[in-house]
Amino acid sequence: QKEVEQNSGPLSVPEGAIASLNCTYSDRVSQSFFWYRQYSGKSPELIMSIYSNGDKEDGRFTAQLNKASQYVSLLIRDSQPSDSATYLCASRPGDSNYQLIWGAGTKLIIKP
Amino acid sequence: GAVVSQHPSWVICKSGTSVKIECRSLDFQATTMFWYRQFPKQSLMLMATSNEGSKATYEQGVEKDKFLINHASLTLSTLTVTSAHPEDSSFYICSARRREGATDTQYFGPGTRLTVL
Repeated sequence: QKEVEQNSGPLSVPEGAIASLNCTYSDRVSQSFFWYRQYSGKSPELIMSIYSNGDKEDGRFTAQLNKASQYVSLLIRDSQPSDSATYLCASRPGDSNYQLIWGAGTKLIIKP
Repeated sequence: GAVVSQHPSWVICKSGTSVKIECRSLDFQATTMFWYRQFPKQSLMLMATSNEGSKATYEQGVEKDKFLINHASLTLSTLTVTSAHPEDSSFYICSARRREGATDTQYFGPGTRLTVL
């Protein structure tokens, strides 16, 4: 059973601090990883994708991938109250060319 | 960016009626679209994968005769909930697969909130 695991939270972070969200995956040959943000009552919105080991930065967001340890993380710098949402991690398994395996999501709360 | 629309955004219907939800990729062609369902405070649940020009692939436990999927063009997939019952009330979300070079990403529509009375 291929799985993606996330801590459900809530993760509470003060405004202006760095929020760190983590995700582990079970399929060792997964190649593609995604972070989505979902506000309450809304659909998921793609934040970042990452395919190679290391860091990928986009504005205040940095995705980190470590294939040897099978984990993916998302860092949010200078956290804002508007970053409060549920963050979903997803991977594309090695034997699939389109379906994603979804984590249950981590609820992030940024406190003013 | 990639834009996916859904219509309607919300619908209220009586028990026993059928409801059709449309999912469109507005600025790209999508050979594959996905239909998800999400109950309050729960995670996304994949219902089916919709492939243009062929039959949809349903996940285990999802009744194909109740949730009819049609993907007649590269930009449109429809989900029809037949003989809806109150337990079908949920947030239905589609996503469309966009392939650009080496990237292969799913983009979500805004969702349709279905309430069955």
